[in-house]
Formats: sequence, C-alpha cells, structure tokens
Amino acid sequence: DADVTQTPRNRITKTGKRIMLECSQTKGHDRMYWYRQDPGLGLRLIYYSFDVKDINKGEISDGYSVSRQAQAKFSLSLESAIPNQTALYFCATSDASQGSNQPQHFGDGTRLSIL
Amino acid sequence: AQKITQTQPGMFVQEKEAVTLDCTYDTSDPSYGLFWYKQPSSGEMIFLIYQGSYDQQNATEGRYSLNFQKARKSANLVISASQLGDSAMYFCAMRGRENTDKLIFGTGTRLQVFP
Repeated sequence: DADVTQTPRNRITKTGKRIMLECSQTKGHDRMYWYRQDPGLGLRLIYYSFDVKDINKGEISDGYSVSRQAQAKFSLSLESAIPNQTALYFCATSDASQGSNQPQHFGDGTRLSIL
Repeated sequence: AQKITQTQPGMFVQEKEAVTLDCTYDTSDPSYGLFWYKQPSSGEMIFLIYQGSYDQQNATEGRYSLNFQKARKSANLVISASQLGDSAMYFCAMRGRENTDKLIFGTGTRLQVFP
C-alpha cells in the first residue's frame, strides 16, 4: 500500500463545480503539502500544514482552500472550478523531527480536468 | 527570494553512457538543502538524492551523484551508466530556512535514453 494516497486519481468535471481532492498518509509525518504541476512550470505550492491546527498559504492559493482533518489527512478544495485549474495535483508529506535533509514524500498525483 | 533554474528542457543520452543534468540555484540563506526528484511518464515523484549546503562531500546514491559547486551555486545531477528506465522528467528543488520546510522546484529536464 502507498504511504501517501491521493483520491481520486483522475477527475473530469465542469466549470463552476465544487471539487475536493483528498490525501491520506500512513507515514506518521506532521507536515503535509499540496502542489500543482503545469507543463513547463514545474511544481508550485498551493497550501501547506505543519500540524493539525496549522494552515498556511503557498505561492498560488487563490481559488483553493484546504482542511487538515487529522494528522493523517489533508484535503484540497476548489470551491468553484475554472478551466485554468486543470493540472496535475500532488500531495506530499515530510517529517520535521528527522531534520532538514529529509525529502518530501509525494502521492501519485490527481489529474484534474475542468471543462 | 529563492530560485531554481534548470536550463535544459530536454536531454538525450545513449544507454550505458553517463549524463549530467544541470541545476543552478539562488538563495541568500546560508543553510539550505538541494533535492532531485524523478518523474516517470506514469506521473509519480520519486526522490533520488539530497545535498546539504554544509555537506563536505558530494552526495551519491547508487548510479546517482550530485556535482555540488557551492561557489557557483550549482547542483548538477550525474547519472552514470544510463538505463532505458531512466527516461523521465527530472526536477531539482531547494529548501532553506528562508522558506522553512517548503520546496522550490525548477521547471525540469526531460531525459530520454536511447538504445
């Protein structure tokens, strides 16, 4: 089983719909992140959370919201989807207690298409 | 602000040859970490190798090594004895105190290994 699980893996939806992408982890990490990947732009940070009660905006948070329901769960919502939010979305986790040399561990991604 | 630059959109290498993927970075933070990730066509992000700014030696992980030149602010990934399975996108990323635990990604290099 994957340590970082994203659901759904693929989603096609219409403009204006509310969408939730879910991420759960079994790694016991305290830190979780949501990234967006667009062709030619690499990965950009949307939101991140260092603990259950901690939510921080990233580079491109407009149009998105998040919820850290538990240490193991971090969901990303698009309240009213628009076509330019079509992208590949990644959830990632890291363990702050192990030091700054620890990598972030990524889920397999959610491919989201908004028509 | 921190920045990662990958100037090679695409690279070709013959099987069993070595290849170097370039990465330069910009930061005013004296303490930072550099990461390389591989993204195969299936989409997942796979951590390859890490280099800390205070590490005295270049990092190595199997066929992957990092040519870290601090004065030039470069952290090039060297893949030795390329295999067909190395064909993928490769991303360089940086984390520093300036960004706490967040990763800043480059735009990636697509490597194609041919027989």
